[in-house]
Amino acid sequence: QQQVKQSPQSLIVQKGGISIINCAYENTAFDYFPWYQQFPGKGPALLIAIRPDVSEKKEGRFTISFNKSAKQFSLHIMDSQPGDSATYFCAAALGGGATNKLIFGTGTLLAVQP
Amino acid sequence: DAGVTQSPTHLIKTRGQQVTLRCSPKSGHDTVSWYQQALGQGPQFIFQYYEEEERQRGNFPDRFSGHQFPNYSSELNVNALLLGDSALYLCASSLFTEAFFGQGTRLTVV
Repeated sequence: QQQVKQSPQSLIVQKGGISIINCAYENTAFDYFPWYQQFPGKGPALLIAIRPDVSEKKEGRFTISFNKSAKQFSLHIMDSQPGDSATYFCAAALGGGATNKLIFGTGTLLAVQP
Repeated sequence: DAGVTQSPTHLIKTRGQQVTLRCSPKSGHDTVSWYQQALGQGPQFIFQYYEEEERQRGNFPDRFSGHQFPNYSSELNVNALLLGDSALYLCASSLFTEAFFGQGTRLTVV
């Protein structure tokens, strides 16, 4: 019940296309859902986060869509660029933020082809 | 403002040895969490420190221990190293909601 399932495992998108990564969770007590971007040899960097009281949050080219009834959330990267090529992790936490432990998905390796 | 800094960046240890990893949190952050990231996997929560006390712990054996100092910096200690402990160890600091990660320490156990 503490798992976060992420798909796909890998994704290839053409430059300018839309990248979509999906996550699903079981524990309805989770109330903070961040997405992290990780480049090789680096630590994860927070991209965008959402709470379950909203269905969508947009920051620049990055959008989170949240479906509370389906217990699913997704990351959309609009106008994908080669510089977006990285591994993306969804996560979930209790207690309203990352001051509690984060439960991470298994990651999606995104390759944006020029 | 320096972000989260970890040392060393890389480390090679022999099975059975002990290792200490260090983390300096982002300025003003009072909570430090440690995560283990195996190759090709998502980070797994080890434990979290707040006010020099372990506040939460993940599903890791007692060989993993930690400490937080009055200046909020933290150490992760692993005893009796196993080959399976080879991973990227990440430190994250937080104040309210967001967690900021360091670049990690790559530990290789041979």
